[in-house]
Amino acid sequence: EVQLVESGGGLVKPGGSLRLSCAASGFTFSSYSMNWVRQAPGKGLEWVSSISSSSSYIYYADSVKGRFTISRDNAKNSLYLQMNSLRAEDTAVYYCARDPEATAGTIFDYWGQGTLVTVSS
Amino acid sequence: EIVMTQSPATLSVSPGERATLSCRASQSVSSNLAWYQQKPGQAPRLLIYGASTRATGIPARFSGSGSGTEFTLTISSLQSEDFAVYYCQQYNNWPPGRTFGQGTKVEIK
Repeated sequence: EVQLVESGGGLVKPGGSLRLSCAASGFTFSSYSMNWVRQAPGKGLEWVSSISSSSSYIYYADSVKGRFTISRDNAKNSLYLQMNSLRAEDTAVYYCARDPEATAGTIFDYWGQGTLVTVSS
Repeated sequence: EIVMTQSPATLSVSPGERATLSCRASQSVSSNLAWYQQKPGQAPRLLIYGASTRATGIPARFSGSGSGTEFTLTISSLQSEDFAVYYCQQYNNWPPGRTFGQGTKVEIK
């Protein structure tokens, strides 16, 4: 069974940093691209960032480019999102989601339960 | 950026009735369109991809159609567990990004 479990969310002040993690199990992690998708309270879904299976290709939404860094450790079956210079508008539930393609860019076929990031003073 | 527009924002339907949800793209996305279901407090779940292919384990009452800029998700006979928010998502314009519609809430009439 595919499982994605996020952690690392919490309350942080504007301008602060946070690192999210996603632990994957139930599939060959190194064969799939991975993504972060967020959802602000009461709002819709927003794609944040993607990383290909071997980390060769990395993409960011314009709203987070230059502030967020996605990475993965295939030996640990883990995905990460380093978030710096956080803003109030980054407040959201952050989901880890799998892409069935190795090079990224299609659908999100499995999702974690999400971790809440709140940016507030 | 391709903008996805869903209609209506809210759809009130009685159990057992048919629900038809629409999604329009600001430019052609071919058949690179997916639908997701999200229940309160839960993560989204993939329903349909390739505009019309049901994902693993999705009941046959869910069907998708369309291509280019106009798409439809049909739920043939609404069950109690189908009341949720539904999002469409395009993946034709990649990179730079994959974009979602704003969602349609299907509520009990």
